[in-house]
Amino acid sequence: QKEVEQNSGPLSVPEGAIASLNCTYSDRGSQSFFWYRQYSGKSPELIMFIYSNGDKEDGRFTAQLNKASQYVSLLIRDSQPSDSATYLCAVDSWGKLQFGAGTQVVVTP
Amino acid sequence: NAGVTQTPKFRILKIGQSMTLQCTQDMNHNYMYWYRQDPGMGLKLIYYSVGAGITDKGEVPNGYNVSRSTTEDFPLRLELAAPSQTSVYFCASSYGVPGLAGEGDTQYFGPGTRLTVL
Repeated sequence: QKEVEQNSGPLSVPEGAIASLNCTYSDRGSQSFFWYRQYSGKSPELIMFIYSNGDKEDGRFTAQLNKASQYVSLLIRDSQPSDSATYLCAVDSWGKLQFGAGTQVVVTP
Repeated sequence: NAGVTQTPKFRILKIGQSMTLQCTQDMNHNYMYWYRQDPGMGLKLIYYSVGAGITDKGEVPNGYNVSRSTTEDFPLRLELAAPSQTSVYFCASSYGVPGLAGEGDTQYFGPGTRLTVL
C-alpha cells in the first residue's frame, strides 16, 4: 500500500474554474502536510503547508485537512494557465517527508 | 541568498563510472536531503542528514553514499553507476525536521541534476 496516494491525472480545468486535488495518507501519526507545485523540468516549490484540521487559505489556494479521514486536499480558485503543473502532496512520517506521485493539472483557455 | 544550489545540471555516465553530485545551501539549515525522481513518480528519499557529521539512509540508499563535513555541503556519491540510477536528483534542506508542526520544517529544493547512465 502506497503511503501517500494522489490521482495522477491529468486533471483538465477550464480557465477561471476551481481545480480540486486530493491526497490520502496512511500514517495516522503524521502532523505536517505540504503541497508543492512542480513545473515540467523544474524543482518542486512550496505552495502551502497545513498542520491543523480544517481549511487554510492563501490567495487563490485553499488547503483542507481531515486527520480523522486521513486526507488533505488543495483547491485552486480562478485557475490560470500558469497553474498548469504537477502538484505533489507531501506528508511527514517518522521525521521524513513521504511524497505522492503527483497530480498533473492542465488549465485550458 | 542563493538558497540550495546543485551541480552539475546534467550529466551522462557510462555504466561502472563514478561521480559526485554537489549540493550547497546558504540558509544555515540543519537538515539536508537527497531525493531521486523517476518519470511520473514522486520523490524517493535516498539519504538525509540532521547536521554536520550525521547522516542516515532513506528509502532507496543502495548504490549511493553521502558525507556531511560542513553545515552547507551535502555531496552525493554514486559508485559503479548503473542504468537504474538514471533519474533526476534533487537536494533539499530545512531548518527543522518534518512533523514538528512548525514552519521551520518546510523543505526547499535545489534545481536538480539530470543524470543518464548508458
